[in-house]
Amino acid sequence: SQTIHQWPATLVQPVGSPLSLECTVEGTSNPNLYWYRQAAGRGLQLLFYSVGIGQISSEVPQNLSASRPQDRQFILSSKKLLLSDSGFYLCAWSVRRGERDTDTQYFGPGTRLTVL
Amino acid sequence: AQTVTQSQPEMSVQEAETVTLSCTYDTSESDYYLFWYKQPPSRQMILVIRQEAYKQQNATENRFSVNFQKAAKSFSLKISDSQLGDAAMYFCAYRSAVRGGSQGNLIFGKGTKLSVKP
Repeated sequence: SQTIHQWPATLVQPVGSPLSLECTVEGTSNPNLYWYRQAAGRGLQLLFYSVGIGQISSEVPQNLSASRPQDRQFILSSKKLLLSDSGFYLCAWSVRRGERDTDTQYFGPGTRLTVL
Repeated sequence: AQTVTQSQPEMSVQEAETVTLSCTYDTSESDYYLFWYKQPPSRQMILVIRQEAYKQQNATENRFSVNFQKAAKSFSLKISDSQLGDAAMYFCAYRSAVRGGSQGNLIFGKGTKLSVKP
């Protein structure tokens, strides 16, 4: 069966510090991968998605970036964190089959980031 | 652009009773998917149920069922025999069936907080 991992689970960082959040998927190959952010009391906002190694699409202009160095690894980074980067970050994956992406996204346990 | 609206910020239900959560969406597409996700206090998003727009039959998963009204663009979730463990935020989400680009990504509503009273 497929599983998705995220770490760290929680993180407290000062303003201006760098960030690296990691997401890995097991039990599948060539998945679509996604990074979402959920601010307090709000819904989910898609930040980045990737359909393959080295292929990253950004949905929201910001000081965050994403990379996919391996097929099942997705990393969210920042060189300098802002207060507004605080939130709950969720990674998700979905299966790709032929010309039609499968529809369902499965989420990881998330990382709670607090920027002070 | 597609939008998803959940008009009930909070709902409450008595244990063992039935509750219905509302969701409406706006789209010009004819082929898409709809989802309900549950987010308990642990904050992990858990898939509850999915509906394919081209299927007229309403999806069901044990105590969870949907009322999908395509013409009205409505997608409500019914929870029967509510249990304490059902207490959570519930998010309705839309996904285009078009492959490629951002059109295939999930669009979420703002959520409904469900409380279950013992």
